Parts: sequence; structure tokens; C-alpha cells
Amino acid sequence: EPEVTQTPSHQVTQMGQEVILRCVPISNHLYFYWYRQILGQKVEFLVSFYNNEISEKSEIFDDQFSVERPDGSNFTLKIRSTKLEDSAMYFCATGLAVLNEQFFGPGTRLTVL
Amino acid sequence: AQTVTQSQPEMSVQEAETVTLSCTYDTSESDYYLFWYKQPPSRQMILVIRQEAYKQQNATENRFSVNFQKAAKSFSLKISDSQLGDAAMYFCAYRSASGGYQKVTFGTGTKLQVIP
Repeated sequence: EPEVTQTPSHQVTQMGQEVILRCVPISNHLYFYWYRQILGQKVEFLVSFYNNEISEKSEIFDDQFSVERPDGSNFTLKIRSTKLEDSAMYFCATGLAVLNEQFFGPGTRLTVL
Repeated sequence: AQTVTQSQPEMSVQEAETVTLSCTYDTSESDYYLFWYKQPPSRQMILVIRQEAYKQQNATENRFSVNFQKAAKSFSLKISDSQLGDAAMYFCAYRSASGGYQKVTFGTGTKLQVIP
């Protein structure tokens, strides 16, 4: 069964550094999402992406965050200058159509020191 | 804005018994989807069951079933014949059926412990 994959599984970085989290969607999926889960808290929506554009974003997704599909396959989340409070589990999700089920990846644990 | 509330941070059930996890939500929309996701210790979220708000019939998936009460905005999950592999965090979630709103809104989760 096809799965969403994410790399790396764990990323440790220093405050102020840039990080790029990568996601490989299920091959025929067209809708892409990022969510995050701070330890012990609920999963929060960050952004949705379709047709090379952001279609929806939350208030968390400020100018420090960006998304893109640089090569038509990988879907990336970039945090330009990480802060301590960016430490969280980041989940990529993908879907075939806008109202179809979102399939979640295993997540990338980001630790900002 | 839609909200999802799970009032049970932790629940436990004896193996082979039945447990019900509670969820309430708030929305002004009439058409939407509700989900239960399971997040095992490995942390990849898996969809357990899905309910379309326009359907009156409660969804079932093998040992998992829901009690969907639209007027009360309640969406509980019943797990029958609980197994050790059911131990996980369970998230109730909401998604608008309006195509322009794609985000899934999650509750805070219920940690389910299955006692052998």
C-alpha cells in the first residue's frame, strides 16, 4: 500500500538556523498539507498546497515558513530562522482530491536548541 | 471557527471489553466530515473511521463504530473486543465539506490503555 514518507525522521538544529523538512507524497496525490504537534498538545494545521500555490494557511504559518514542490515530487517545508518554540513533530499529509482522505506521513521530529 | 473537544485525556479498557471515547464539536456548517484517527506510539496517524454529516447511518469499520448525533454535535467512537494493538492516542477530527476549506481540525486526543 502506498505511503507518505518524510525525511529526516529527527532533525536537531540551533536556534536561528534554517531547516528544510521533506515529504514524498503518494504518487497520484495532488493536495499537500503540513501539520505540527508540539509535545503533549494537539495536532495543528499549518498550510495546504495545491497546483503550486498555498490554498490555505493558519496563523501559525508566518513569514518564517514557506512550502514548495521544487522537483514536482518532493514537498518541502522550510523554516528560515528557527525558534525554540518551533520544536515539534511535523506531519506531512497528502490527498488525491480536496475532499478525499488525507494520508499522514510518519512525521519529522524537530528539536531546536 | 470550528472546535473539537475531547474531554477524556486518558481511558483504559480490559482486553476483549468495549470502550467508548467521547467527542463533541462546534460548527455552524451543515455539511462536514468527522474522523477518528489513531496515533500509535510509532506516531504515524492512521484513519480509523470517517462519517459524512449528511448520512444518518452511523459508520462502522469492523470492531470500530461511531455514534453520530448531529443535533447534539456529538461523535463518539466505540471499540468492541478491545485488543492490545488498540492502545494508542485517538484523535477526533473535523473537516468542512466546503471545497475551499481543506484543513482538518483535531481534538486534544484521548490516550487509550488496553489492560491484558
